[in-house]
Amino acid sequence: AQKVTQAQTEISVVEKEDVTLDCVYETRDTTYYLFWYKQPPSGELVFLIRRNSFDEQNEISGRYSWNFQKSTSSFNFTITASQVVDSAVYFCALSEAENFVFGPGTRLSVLP
Amino acid sequence: DTGVSQNPRHKITKRGQNVTFRCDPISEHNRLYWYRQTLGQGPEFLTYFQNEAQLEKSRLLSDRFSAERPKGSFSTLEIQRTEQGDSAMYLCASGHRDRGEETQYFGPGTRLLVL
Repeated sequence: AQKVTQAQTEISVVEKEDVTLDCVYETRDTTYYLFWYKQPPSGELVFLIRRNSFDEQNEISGRYSWNFQKSTSSFNFTITASQVVDSAVYFCALSEAENFVFGPGTRLSVLP
Repeated sequence: DTGVSQNPRHKITKRGQNVTFRCDPISEHNRLYWYRQTLGQGPEFLTYFQNEAQLEKSRLLSDRFSAERPKGSFSTLEIQRTEQGDSAMYLCASGHRDRGEETQYFGPGTRLLVL
């Protein structure tokens, strides 16, 4: 069965600090996709990144970076120089075949 | 704005009433998903369509829930005889599967409160 764990329920940082959100997944499939979504206070889920299981290259997009390690079944998300606008709930998700499973989310608060 | 719209954005109803929500996906997307999200939780998958065919339903989707996607365009989710436990945010997402890759884009959701 699929499972996504986000052990950090809530994180608070001060603006300009770096922060890493952890995601650990379980799957028996060799082909799967991993995602990160942001849900700001307005409520609308925003797609951030998709990664397939065959591509372990780390990715950087502006202040965001993702570290995918199949050996530890982790897909961690780092925000560099955090800003107040980064405050949101962040969800990691796993897709295999026709199933799409979300983790419980990590609430990030960036304080000015 | 992802291009996925949902109506209404908010719905308050009394227990036992029927409610219907609508989702308009991104026009070129052939897949449409419904999720439910309760406070403090991640979205839970309910059902999805590929074009007009409903391909999968979660066990969370009781007999009181029905979803349709006529003509493979917009979709409706109906809840009959609502219960207080149905209170949640109902999210719609659209996606397009191409060579095994897919990303889902979410609408703003419909928040349901059952009194």
